Amino acid sequence: NAGVMQNPRHLVRRRGQEARLRCSPMKGHSHVYWYRQLPEEGLKFMVYLQKENIIDESGMPKERFSAEFPKEGPSILRIQQVVRGDSAAYFCASSPPGQGTYEQYFGPGTRLTVT
Amino acid sequence: QKEVEQDPGPLSVPEGAIVSLNCTYSNSAFQYFMWYRQYSRKGPELLMYTYSSGNKEDGRFTAQVDKSSKYISLFIRDSQPSDSATYLCAMRSGGYNKLIFGAGTRLAVHP
Repeated sequence: NAGVMQNPRHLVRRRGQEARLRCSPMKGHSHVYWYRQLPEEGLKFMVYLQKENIIDESGMPKERFSAEFPKEGPSILRIQQVVRGDSAAYFCASSPPGQGTYEQYFGPGTRLTVT
Repeated sequence: QKEVEQDPGPLSVPEGAIVSLNCTYSNSAFQYFMWYRQYSRKGPELLMYTYSSGNKEDGRFTAQVDKSSKYISLFIRDSQPSDSATYLCAMRSGGYNKLIFGAGTRLAVHP
């Protein structure tokens, strides 16, 4: 059974470029969450999506960040015009539909470095 | 004040010791409590999940929740060097799926 998959695992971008992070949930899971982890800090919630719907984006910065989870394909976290402060590990988690939504399983993360 | 407080450590113990990891929280609406283990440069791995107050045991791990004190604990018995990792507590309210994490406690178990 494949777990949550994220790619790329490492991403280097220059200031002002765009970063695209992809997440494929576990088989059978239809809920996706994105978290950000800054050095020496815990994980901070960013956004919660179901297929074709953003359910909760209360943790997303107001500008430059967007997320989607299309009907087909992986979830995408997009960061436009990256700045050095965006350097962090970005983790995706997924959970199954229905009553089991409290168990979130995490992927290996994408480590973004902005130079 | 942070919603979830967790001592970052580091905590260093000899192999075989009993380890106690703790978190306090301020939001009385939290009902679901989790412990994740995170090895260096890896994703968090779900260890324990508890609903409301009480104890839950799984092998060498025991999770406790005391909602009256807003305090949760993870105990590791017979600790092993392979337990060396960062342990993150996480919690959520009943109607919301987003997890609120503590900063994590770094644990080192030395032979």
